[in-house]
Amino acid sequence: DTGVSQNPRHKITKRGQNVTFRCDPISEHNRLYWYRQTLGQGPEFLTYFQNEAQLEKSRLLSDRFSAERPKGSFSTLEIQRTEQGDSAMYLCASSLKLAEGPQNTEAFFGQGTRLTVV
Amino acid sequence: GQQLNQSPQSMFIQEGEDVSMNCTSSSIFNTWLWYKQEPGEGPVLLIALYKAGELTSNGRLTAQFGITRKDSFLNISASIPSDVGIYFCAGPDSNSGYALNFGKGTSLLVTP
Repeated sequence: DTGVSQNPRHKITKRGQNVTFRCDPISEHNRLYWYRQTLGQGPEFLTYFQNEAQLEKSRLLSDRFSAERPKGSFSTLEIQRTEQGDSAMYLCASSLKLAEGPQNTEAFFGQGTRLTVV
Repeated sequence: GQQLNQSPQSMFIQEGEDVSMNCTSSSIFNTWLWYKQEPGEGPVLLIALYKAGELTSNGRLTAQFGITRKDSFLNISASIPSDVGIYFCAGPDSNSGYALNFGKGTSLLVTP
């Protein structure tokens, strides 16, 4: 399968612990995004990479959050000192930057990592 | 980011009925995307719209890009139980161009 893959699918952690999630995008996609989704809401943008460069961060991405994409392929999202308010579905998406065309914005999502902080 | 308003918030219909939902914004969008999300899964892209007035179909789904560029509609014909899920509209944020702004979704339940 060549879709976006996220691991783990579920994570339960105690408040104050650090957690790390992994995303493997569609192989030819050079853009990678992280979103967060809480119950009853649509996904909210967190951060964006083009290749290995992190080009944009949302105000939602507090100092406790860090994302990397070291070789321009897979990405990790780490949350330090987790809080109960961090409980959410964390979604990764990827897209292909074309030289021209609006299709740049077509993002394909993984199945998400459900984080529960207790 | 720009706010997207989806209506209705939820729909409960019988199998075979047609469904219509819409998405509006106070801002202009150059692209409209419609996604479907099933419980415990990520959103799946259904239809992408790029031009004002454009009408695009994907099987039983049809979506239109409003001529004002501030709205979009999604219709599902002859609904079936596997249409159950939450339907989201999304459009690129004008400030970033890369981030997508999503509505809160329309939840669809279909009874056999």
